[in-house]
Amino acid sequence: NAGVTQTPKFRVLKTGQSMTLLCAQDMNHEYMYWYRQDPGMGLRLIHYSVGEGTTAKGEVPDGYNVSRLKKQNFLLGLESAAPSQTSVYFCASSQDRVKAFFGQGTRLTVV
Amino acid sequence: DQQVKQNSPSLSVQEGRISILNCDYTNSMFDYFLWYKKYPAEGPTFLISISSIKDKNEDGRFTVFLNKSAKHLSLHIVPSQPGDSAVYFCAASASGANNLFFGTGTRLTVIP
Repeated sequence: NAGVTQTPKFRVLKTGQSMTLLCAQDMNHEYMYWYRQDPGMGLRLIHYSVGEGTTAKGEVPDGYNVSRLKKQNFLLGLESAAPSQTSVYFCASSQDRVKAFFGQGTRLTVV
Repeated sequence: DQQVKQNSPSLSVQEGRISILNCDYTNSMFDYFLWYKKYPAEGPTFLISISSIKDKNEDGRFTVFLNKSAKHLSLHIVPSQPGDSAVYFCAASASGANNLFFGTGTRLTVIP
């Protein structure tokens, strides 16, 4: 019963470095999401996918790219990290576009 | 522009009493509302939801009330327990949309 698994759980990057966050779900869900959580801002949607091979922009997509080559995986990429991208990142999946199941989060610090 | 608002950042309640968490929204297209609970270092977990065709939904100690005319919903926890101490997020979805909009969260502390 893994549910939604995020890798890594913690990461420190230098400004300008790149990295990829991996999200894997074993519930055969169609919808997958990447959110970021910042103090006083709640959860904000970065990108999402409504099925394998599809991606779409959310509320705060700038500076991020995503890919969904396999139904169970949703990758979030930062091509050139900036201090403003310091945040906690949550991946989620859903079958009915509404009730989402979340991973444990990735705490990213960009220095 | 925050479409879902939780104006109380924190709430403290004595064990056994009622906890009432509030949420307001601005988008009249929202037709489904959810509450999530989040413990430190964990992801949010689904707690309870309500469709816009209802005004109340109950699940054990948790009840959500929806007032569409006021664009307001609330979560009641009775009786409150120390294990309920967490951050609670209100979320909403619009018909035809593919994602949830979240509020900023309310940190509930239940005092033993």
